[in-house]
Amino acid sequence: AQTVTQSQPEMSVQEAETVTLSCTYDTSESDYYLFWYKQPPSRQMILVIRQEAYKQQNATENRFSVNFQKAAKSFSLKISDSQLGDAAMYFCAYRKSYGGSQGNLIFGKGTKLSVKP
Amino acid sequence: GAGVSQSPSNKVTEKGKDVELRCDPISGHTALYWYRQSLGQGLEFLIYFQGNSAPDKSGLPSDRFSAERTGGSVSTLTIQRTQQEDSAVYLCASSLTLAGSPLYNEQFFGPGTRLTVL
Repeated sequence: AQTVTQSQPEMSVQEAETVTLSCTYDTSESDYYLFWYKQPPSRQMILVIRQEAYKQQNATENRFSVNFQKAAKSFSLKISDSQLGDAAMYFCAYRKSYGGSQGNLIFGKGTKLSVKP
Repeated sequence: GAGVSQSPSNKVTEKGKDVELRCDPISGHTALYWYRQSLGQGLEFLIYFQGNSAPDKSGLPSDRFSAERTGGSVSTLTIQRTQQEDSAVYLCASSLTLAGSPLYNEQFFGPGTRLTVL
């Protein structure tokens, strides 16, 4: 079974600084998708960034980028120029690729990010 | 357009009572997912619908949990004889699933229903 591990229950960053959230996963699949979701206190899960495993290039979305190391099964999220609005729970998630009905996400336990002004 | 909506936002019930949680997916989204978010277990997958059928119910924790989807749209998650361990936030998500395409389609989440069982 696939598993996702986030080893940092809490992280803190100073406003305008850079922070990296860690995620590792375990799978025997060769093709899959990885995601970072943000969950603010409103509970609404928001997709931050997505990475297809078959792509070697790391995904970027504005201030958010990932370091995807397929061999090491590592998928970290880097947030640059941190803003107060970035404070939230961040979840790393895995999803199988095409095939069958298994489109459900498998989540890590989450990392609570605080941003200090 | 409107996002995924869930009702009620919060539900407090007494142990042993039945509850129904509702999810309205984004119009046109064929896939619908229920997840449960609890302090002890994190985010867990419960059930997946493709249209009105549920090909994957593997995450339902017990036979007290059931779900249905009608008209390929609204879904209801029912918990019978609620227990205190059922207290959690229940999240619903929907996505397009295009036949023949990789299943990377983004899942859009609703705001969840916080269930408290006293």
